[in-house]
This record gives sequence, C-alpha cells and structure tokens, in this order.
Amino acid sequence: GAGVSQSPSNKVTEKGKDVELRCDPISGHTALYWYRQRLGQGLEFLIYFQGNSAPDKSGLPSDRFSAERTGESVSTLTIQRTQQEDSAVYLCASSRISGGILSSYEQYFGPGTRLTVT
Amino acid sequence: GNSVTQMEGPVTLSEEAFLTINCTYTATGYPSLFWYVQYPGEGLQLLLKATKADDKGSNKGFEATYRKETTSFHLEKGSVQVSDSAVYFCALSGYTGGFKTIFGAGTRLFVKA
Repeated sequence: GAGVSQSPSNKVTEKGKDVELRCDPISGHTALYWYRQRLGQGLEFLIYFQGNSAPDKSGLPSDRFSAERTGESVSTLTIQRTQQEDSAVYLCASSRISGGILSSYEQYFGPGTRLTVT
Repeated sequence: GNSVTQMEGPVTLSEEAFLTINCTYTATGYPSLFWYVQYPGEGLQLLLKATKADDKGSNKGFEATYRKETTSFHLEKGSVQVSDSAVYFCALSGYTGGFKTIFGAGTRLFVKA
C-alpha cells in the first residue's frame, strides 16, 4: 500500500518568507509526528498528533513553527519568517496505535522535505 | 523522562567484521525498543524491534536483545557488508501520557571493502 508521502521534496526559500510543508500519513494511522534533521545530525522531535487529543507541541523550537492536522489525515507544518538555521530535512512519520499502552507502534517515515533558507 | 543514549560514531569497519553499536535507555513503564536505519540518500526505515524484556529482534542479519536489567538494546551483526553503511538510530516508545518516540543521536557506520 501507499506509504507516507511528503511535499514538496525540496524547498528553497528566502530568509523571512513563510513556508508550508505537507504530510500525508498512511491511511488508518492515528498518530503523526514531525521531526527535524539537520545535516549530519539526529532526529529532533517537533510535534506529535494522536487522534482527537491535543497535540504534543513540546518540541517546537519557537513560535514561528506551527502545525495542523485535519482529523486523522493530512498535516501541514508551517514555518513563519524563516531563518537560515531552519535549513534542514523535515521528516514526517505515522504509526498505528492499537492494543493500548503496551502495544508496539513502530513509525513509518516519509522521504522528507529538504528546506534550504537562503 | 524517557531518554536514549547510543554510542557516538562514526564507526569504521572492514567487510566481514563484527559490529556492535551500544544503546542504553531510561524509561518508566514498559517501553518498546527499536533500531531504525537510514541508508545514504534514503528515508528512515525500521530495522528491528522488541516489545518486552528478553525479546530479541532480528532482521537482515542484525540482532538486538531487550535487556531490562541493564536497560540496554545493543545492535549486533556478525559479519558486516559494504551495503550496511548507513546511520543507525536506537529508539524507544512508551506511554508517558502520549506515545512519543525518543530517538538516539544516531551512529554512522562505514564499512570498507
């Protein structure tokens, strides 16, 4: 079946502009995650959505970052007034939460959006 | 809170050498443990997982055993290949009021022919 898709695959923007990144999770996956991966570095958690619960926004680095999710489908990550330090690959992942708190819920990652702020 | 610590890289090995990448964790409750792999130019993908103590996850010749007594989940492979060159991430998922997954910093592996 279809995996997680992200668009655009690459985005080059000028400093100060706003950008919007899109993620389409796997159908039926109730959990959706956004991460940032700077060049040569690990994954930095940004935000997590689970069903109708309030999102966990604890990883968003500043108020320039926000994310929305429509039900259990598409999510958009918006970065306002982009800065050069925002340049990174933004990864989206989804997982299916089932079986309660003791279940295993591996994540399925999209290919990422490479953002370059000039 | 939950955390994952994995050995720093890069790790450079010759083909057919034995690989160990250490991973330790701190967590409350009963987390699931994972190894993800990121091949050059590709996205992250699950390599293996273990959901409870003493479980062994295995895939593509890689193994890791969930050791609750030492809070470890070390990745091993008996004979690495050049195609194993990648970045390996240890991760933990557990219920802490939500289902957030915590990733280690990643360990880059280079395998020389």
